[in-house]
Amino acid sequence: GAGVSQSPSNKVTEKGKDVELRCDPISGHTALYWYRQSLGQGLEFLIYFQGNSAPDKSGLPSDRFSAERTGGSVSTLTIQRTQQEDSAVYLCASTRGVWQFFGPGTRLTVL
Amino acid sequence: KQEVTQIPAALSVPEGENLVLNCSFTDSAIYNLQWFRQDPGKGLTSLLLIQSSQREQTSGRLNASLDKSSGRSTLYIAASQPGDSATYLCAVSPSNTGKLIFGQGTTLQVKP
Repeated sequence: GAGVSQSPSNKVTEKGKDVELRCDPISGHTALYWYRQSLGQGLEFLIYFQGNSAPDKSGLPSDRFSAERTGGSVSTLTIQRTQQEDSAVYLCASTRGVWQFFGPGTRLTVL
Repeated sequence: KQEVTQIPAALSVPEGENLVLNCSFTDSAIYNLQWFRQDPGKGLTSLLLIQSSQREQTSGRLNASLDKSSGRSTLYIAASQPGDSATYLCAVSPSNTGKLIFGQGTTLQVKP
């Protein structure tokens, strides 16, 4: 596709379960970013990849959150033992140069 | 720590009005500043990007200015249309990594 895609678009899970969120960046884009958008917190940076390396993980809120990127392409954000405060929209963006292109997001609801 | 603030949080105007959205940031050491648009249930669309050495950028009816020394940016929308209704987000990049720090956004409603 032409844009950044994310899956699933919606995810409802029970507290304590693990979830995986997927991001497919635009082909050829070397940098990839994860952000979280929640009510009252706005849009927060989580982690940044350059190729398969993550030089900046400073926004990950706890050690329950992890992310990886393989082949310089697809990235997966994993949240272990989900909590209700993890409920948010998780957005992925990719870039080649200064312009960032965002995906539609994954809405995560933790019951 | 860099903080980005947007005023007002919400704005409602009649169609045809010119309007200004405000963004301020606490640390003037930025690499660039971007304005985004977000429609309900959708991702973000980049509208304008101003490099730290630039003062303004224009695209169609949109004009964004940057005053780095005072930590302020404005987004000017001319002749507003109902299709401009959306949330507008200001974001600064503190370095050339592309990491963005966002404001809380201004939700704009343009009434026909």
